[in-house]
Parts: sequence; structure tokens; C-alpha cells
Amino acid sequence: GAVVSQHPSWVICKSGTSVKIECRSLDFQATTMFWYRQFPKQSLMLMATSNEGSKATYEQGVEKDKFLINHASLTLSTLTVTSAHPEDSSFYICSADRAIEQYFGPGTRLTVT
Amino acid sequence: GENVEQHPSTLSVQEGDSAVIKCTYSDSASNYFPWYKQELGKGPQLIIDIRSNVGEKKDQRIAVTLNKTAKHFSLHITETQPEDSAVYFCAASNNNDMRFGAGTRLTVKP
Repeated sequence: GAVVSQHPSWVICKSGTSVKIECRSLDFQATTMFWYRQFPKQSLMLMATSNEGSKATYEQGVEKDKFLINHASLTLSTLTVTSAHPEDSSFYICSADRAIEQYFGPGTRLTVT
Repeated sequence: GENVEQHPSTLSVQEGDSAVIKCTYSDSASNYFPWYKQELGKGPQLIIDIRSNVGEKKDQRIAVTLNKTAKHFSLHITETQPEDSAVYFCAASNNNDMRFGAGTRLTVKP
């Protein structure tokens, strides 16, 4: 149990376009989901905490107007990277909270050209 | 806020040997300490966790110890195998506020 999926697994987009990444908890409901960003050979950097039915809480330095988060149901959260730039290229990973535990999705590799 | 330090950053062991990774944390209110294994190009996978009311937990070849007084916890992998090669992250959490260590790249040489 505790499976989290992400879609797409990888995406290439042009500068200035927007990209939506979906995170789903497949076999459990998650009131809270988290979005992380990971650069090569580095640790996980928390971007925002997504709560079902309410606004996301963003970490300091993360632009909420650039990284739009929607948590419309107990099994789905989406991250939209708006007006993407090459510096937004990264590995984006979501996790879903089940009680005290966090279960991670497989990640989405975004490349902005 | 919580600060988690992890050592070593890289660890190379011979197959069959043991591997130990250590973490320290700063927030005494942290009460949940998971360990994640991340393979290249994949998301982190929860491999073992320990709560603050327990000092040690074991699951087959992996074990975790927690010293709340000293604010440190460790991951122990015995009889290492090449498939154990990955990056391992420790984390400390207080009510869903989870912070991660910098990671340890473990290489198990056959």
C-alpha cells in the first residue's frame, strides 16, 4: 500500500510555456501533499505544502505565482510551473502524507529549452 | 527551525560488510525519523522509520537507532549487497514539518 504516482514522468517544454504536473495517491487519501525540487546530487528542497481544500503554504523564496499548486481532492494535487524558464529545469517530486508518514512519487524531470 | 546533518556524504563498502550512516537533528520536538532510499532518476522510497518513543527498530538487514538525549539517529545496513547502492536520506519530522539530511551516496562493491 501507500503508492503515489506522478504524471508526466518527464517533460520538455519551451521557455515561456506552462507545465502541469499531477501527483496522485493511489490507495490512500492524503489531506496533505508536499512538493519538492531536487537538483542533481543534492537533497530534497521543500517548495510548498498542499492542503486539500485550502491554499498551499509556500516555503520562503518560492514564488507562489510561478508555482501554482491546487489540491482539489484527497487524492490529487497539481503543480503548474508558469512561464517556465531554463532555470526551472529540475526534478520535481511530490509526496503524500499518510498519518505521520510521507510517501513519495517517482518524480517528474522538467527540461525547459 | 529543524536542521538535520548527515554523515558521511559518500560511503563505499565491500559486499557483505556493514554500512552505517549517522544523522543529527536540532529540534527536540521532532518525533518521527524516517530513512529513504533513492535510486538514480527515481523518487525516494521509505525503507524504515522510528518514532521518538522507541530506541531501536530492525527490519531484516536494516536497523535504525535513536538517541533522543543526544539528538542523533543512525541507519545500519548489514550484509550489504550491490543492490543496496543508492543515495540514502535521513529526515526528522515534527507534525508534518519534515526536514531532510543532505544524503549519503552508498556504493557497495561486489
